[in-house]
Amino acid sequence: EVQLVESGGGLVQPGGSLRLSCAASGFTFSSYEMNWVRQAPGKGLEWVSYISSSGGNIYYADSVKGRFTISRDNAKNSLYLQMNSLRAEDTAVYYCTRAGSGYDWWGQGTLVTVSS
Amino acid sequence: DIQMTQSPSSLSASVGDRVTITCRASQSISNYLNWYQQKPGKAPKLLIYAASSLQSGVPSRFSGSGSGTDFTLTISSLQPEDFATYYCQQSYSMPRTFGQGTKVEIK
Repeated sequence: EVQLVESGGGLVQPGGSLRLSCAASGFTFSSYEMNWVRQAPGKGLEWVSYISSSGGNIYYADSVKGRFTISRDNAKNSLYLQMNSLRAEDTAVYYCTRAGSGYDWWGQGTLVTVSS
Repeated sequence: DIQMTQSPSSLSASVGDRVTITCRASQSISNYLNWYQQKPGKAPKLLIYAASSLQSGVPSRFSGSGSGTDFTLTISSLQPEDFATYYCQQSYSMPRTFGQGTKVEIK
């Protein structure tokens, strides 16, 4: 069964850093594009970042460009999101998603709270 | 960036009702349109991809249609488990964008 399990969320002060991880299992991770999507409390879904199956193509939302870095380790079946210079508006549940036909599998999400 | 606009933002309906949610793209996206369902405290779930293809395991009362800029998600007979928020998303170009969501509530 496909599973995506995020970790690494927590409380961080403005300007701080956090690294999210997503452990994938139940499918050939290296064959799939992956994304991070976030959802601020009580708000809608916001796409954050994309990485191709090989890691050679990467895209970011303008709201995080220059501060966040997506990466993957296909040998470890893992996806990462390094988040620097965090702001209050980055507070959200962060989901890793598999891009099949649509985002066909989602993790349970990890909460990131940016507050002093 | 492609803007996705859903309507209505919320609706009240009864079990058994036919429900229609629309999604409009700010430019043509061919059929690169997906629909998701999200229940409170849960991750979104893919319902429809490529505008009209039903994701495996999704009940046949859900259907999608449209191409270009105008799309529709239809629930033919609303069931108690369908009360949720629905989002459209374009997968035509980067950045991927979602609609603002449509909350389906019990009348």
